[in-house]
Amino acid sequence: GENVEQHPSTLSVQEGDSAVIKCTYSDSASNYFPWYKQELGKGPQLIIDIRSNVGEKKDQRIAVTLNKTAKHFSLHITETQPEDSAVYFCAAARMDSSYKLIFGSGTRLLVRP
Amino acid sequence: DVKVTQSSRYLVKRTGEKVFLECVQDMDHENMFWYRQDPGLGLRLIYFSYDVKMKEKGDIPEGYSVSREKKERFSLILESASTNQTSMYLCASSIKGALGEKLFFGSGTQLSVL
Repeated sequence: GENVEQHPSTLSVQEGDSAVIKCTYSDSASNYFPWYKQELGKGPQLIIDIRSNVGEKKDQRIAVTLNKTAKHFSLHITETQPEDSAVYFCAAARMDSSYKLIFGSGTRLLVRP
Repeated sequence: DVKVTQSSRYLVKRTGEKVFLECVQDMDHENMFWYRQDPGLGLRLIYFSYDVKMKEKGDIPEGYSVSREKKERFSLILESASTNQTSMYLCASSIKGALGEKLFFGSGTQLSVL
């Protein structure tokens, strides 16, 4: 079955710097890759997603890149702000057959003011 | 604003007790999910439902059951709670035909089994 590995487990950056979180997946048939952000005391919230027919997607300060050959995808946050501090989860799924959204283990991002 | 509401934020139970975790969504979503969140393990799917009275096992269903009698409500049942079920439990929902897409999560129930 699918396995998603996420690195790093913790990341500390200075406000204004960029942050990058990386995930690798094992199932070459996976074709949907969402990222969720979980703030303290709240449930995860979808912030961006990408499908396998696209190599990159941007939404303001957030971007996701996908390398299908290497089976890895990354979340890039530019000009980080203290409110970006949260736990981020990547996930992978085969949207053409089953529900199976497999999550990574999470990255705790701390943005220092 | 869309909302998934979990009945309790914190719950403390004793080993062997039967535990009910309740979840209600107001978005008229067909799909509902129960996940378990543990440090270093991410989110793992326990059960999901794509329609009223329908249920499917996820990756870690052992020791759990679910009930979905109404579209808006999805209950997770721990038949006989054990200490290894101490965890954060997250309920989620999504629209029909998009089982893994755009999940809306509740705030979670932190369950401690003593």
